[in-house]
Amino acid sequence: GAGVSQSPRYKVAKRGQDVALRCDPISGHVSLFWYQQALGQGPEFLTYFQNEAQLDKSGLPSDRFFAERPEGSVSTLKIQRTQQEDSAVYLCASSPAASGSNEQFFGPGTRLTVL
Amino acid sequence: GQNIDQPTEMTATEGAIVQINCTYQTSGFNGLFWYQQHAGEAPTFLSYNVLDGLEEKGRFSSFLSRSKGYSYLLLKELQMKDSASYLCAPGFQKLVFGTGTRLLVSP
Repeated sequence: GAGVSQSPRYKVAKRGQDVALRCDPISGHVSLFWYQQALGQGPEFLTYFQNEAQLDKSGLPSDRFFAERPEGSVSTLKIQRTQQEDSAVYLCASSPAASGSNEQFFGPGTRLTVL
Repeated sequence: GQNIDQPTEMTATEGAIVQINCTYQTSGFNGLFWYQQHAGEAPTFLSYNVLDGLEEKGRFSSFLSRSKGYSYLLLKELQMKDSASYLCAPGFQKLVFGTGTRLLVSP
């Protein structure tokens, strides 16, 4: 079956540009997560949705980062006025249940490079 | 806060057994996950421990001791394809990952 998909797979932006990263979770999955992974590091939590509700955005590094999941399915992570330190792989993951006892299925990620 | 500690790198030979340790300090979680990540790819789920003790899944086993803040991942009959990073992640909903252990399996 189809897994989590993300687009674009690669994005190059000039400093100051806005970018939008898309995540298509596995159909029917209630929970959706965004993580940021810098080179050589483990993924770091950014934000979490349960259906369309954003329940935790404590990991968003600044108010330039914004995420939405308006219909409880597809999610978009938007970064405004990108900075070089935003360069990383952005991973989306989905999980079938609302509780934390299910594995998260990760997408392939979007590699963002800010020049 | 949450602090996760894993060895940075380990090496082993094909057919051997390797144990990757993880210690953590976390304010609350309902389980501990282990993920495998090949270079340039997404993490994939390996195991999940919610109770203390050993969970076995084919060539992979994972152990958890909540009182000691300790887990390990045991890989048996190592294969070349097991060369990857192994990420320990205690979590409730969001997962908190360590930096991972890069395992290199040589012939």
